Amino acid sequence: GDSVTQMEGPVTLSEEAFLTINCTYTATGYPSLFWYVQYPGEGLQLLLKATKADDKGSNKGFEATYRKETTSFHLEKGSVQVSDSAVYFCALLYNQGGKLIFGQGTELSVKP
Amino acid sequence: EPEVTQTPSHQVTQMGQEVILRCVPISNHLYFYWYRQILGQKVEFLVSFYNNEISEKSEIFDDQFSVERPDGSNFTLKIRSTKLEDSAMYFCASSEAHRYSGSSYNEQFFGPGTRLTVL
Repeated sequence: GDSVTQMEGPVTLSEEAFLTINCTYTATGYPSLFWYVQYPGEGLQLLLKATKADDKGSNKGFEATYRKETTSFHLEKGSVQVSDSAVYFCALLYNQGGKLIFGQGTELSVKP
Repeated sequence: EPEVTQTPSHQVTQMGQEVILRCVPISNHLYFYWYRQILGQKVEFLVSFYNNEISEKSEIFDDQFSVERPDGSNFTLKIRSTKLEDSAMYFCASSEAHRYSGSSYNEQFFGPGTRLTVL
């Protein structure tokens, strides 16, 4: 079945370091791909999305490119801040299904 | 900014008891969802709801679970007889559109979750 796999956390970085969180997916069709972020004590918030191959989603300095050939949607940020500390979830969605399929989440901790 | 709200934030119950988790979706949204996350595991889809009926449900959503939109604003998840393995964080979500259609897409807005602890 369809699934999403993320790199294991926690990931600990120093402020201004480069971030990559790997995400790969298995899907039978052509899903949309999402990154959600969960800050402590809050719900899941959409960070960025891509709806077709080669699309790049970006928001708040984060980027991810939908790579059909490698079935990946890796999250990157050039310079992380302490305020980026959160749990990041990669997810896929089939337009006609409506249910999000999540990866296991990756906790990011950024130290000053 | 409109947001999805959930109550209570934490519910503790005894095994075998009924619980009702409440959600208030964003007011102009038409599609509603419940997800859950057992500690340390993935966020899992439970059920989606549209036009006063279930659109889709997962294998987890068995006869012990039910959903309802009792009054046009609340969206509830009921577990009739809780089990230890129902302990999890339950997230409600809502979206404006179910299908991608031109300028709109089916972003799901999530609430902060209800932590359910079954003893």
